[in-house]
Amino acid sequence: NAGVTQTPKFRILKIGQSMTLQCTQDMNHNYMYWYRQDPGMGLKLIYYSVGAGITDKGEVPNGYNVSRSTTEDFPLRLELAAPSQTSVYFCASSYDGQPNTEAFFGQGTRLTVV
Amino acid sequence: AQSVTQPDIHITVSEGASLELRCNYSYGATPYLFWYVQSPGQGLQLLLKYFSGDTLVQGIKGFEAEFKRSQSSFNLRKPSVHWSDAAEYFCAVGARAAGNKLTFGGGTRVLVKP
Repeated sequence: NAGVTQTPKFRILKIGQSMTLQCTQDMNHNYMYWYRQDPGMGLKLIYYSVGAGITDKGEVPNGYNVSRSTTEDFPLRLELAAPSQTSVYFCASSYDGQPNTEAFFGQGTRLTVV
Repeated sequence: AQSVTQPDIHITVSEGASLELRCNYSYGATPYLFWYVQSPGQGLQLLLKYFSGDTLVQGIKGFEAEFKRSQSSFNLRKPSVHWSDAAEYFCAVGARAAGNKLTFGGGTRVLVKP
């Protein structure tokens, strides 16, 4: 049982480049989330999705886009990379949106923008 | 809006000693509270959670946490620390109406001395 899988694990981007962070889950979870983790700041929610075809902004969505064409996949797109987007990105999923439902996290993608 | 504060950025503890990590939250109603652990290079793993009922909750790996409404706190404890407990620990709060979107504290990094 793979759980939540993120690729790549590490990436270095130049300013202005674009990339897609991949996230897939095999637990048939409806809810999926993207967080970014900055030192001393905890995790901040970027975008989330409550099901295929439905996405919504979180706390820090600027500079990012998402799509949810299938239940399994929730890619995060950076169109014009900026140094401020240097961070560790975590994808998570949960069966539903109830707060007592455990969220499962991927291992993270460490992104550096230079 | 809900918020979480973890006052200690770093804690160093000797192996076999007890550990307590502090967490204070701000939320208007009864909170849903969580502790996650992030081992080096890994994603976040749920240690324990509190929704209602007994204010002392037991989690995995020998951890426990106590909810104190009067102090708006949810401190994490372990009686005897093992070297494998060296990690970063995150307290988080969720809200019933928030679609399982979690608000995280800044994290506490625990170092274990032999």
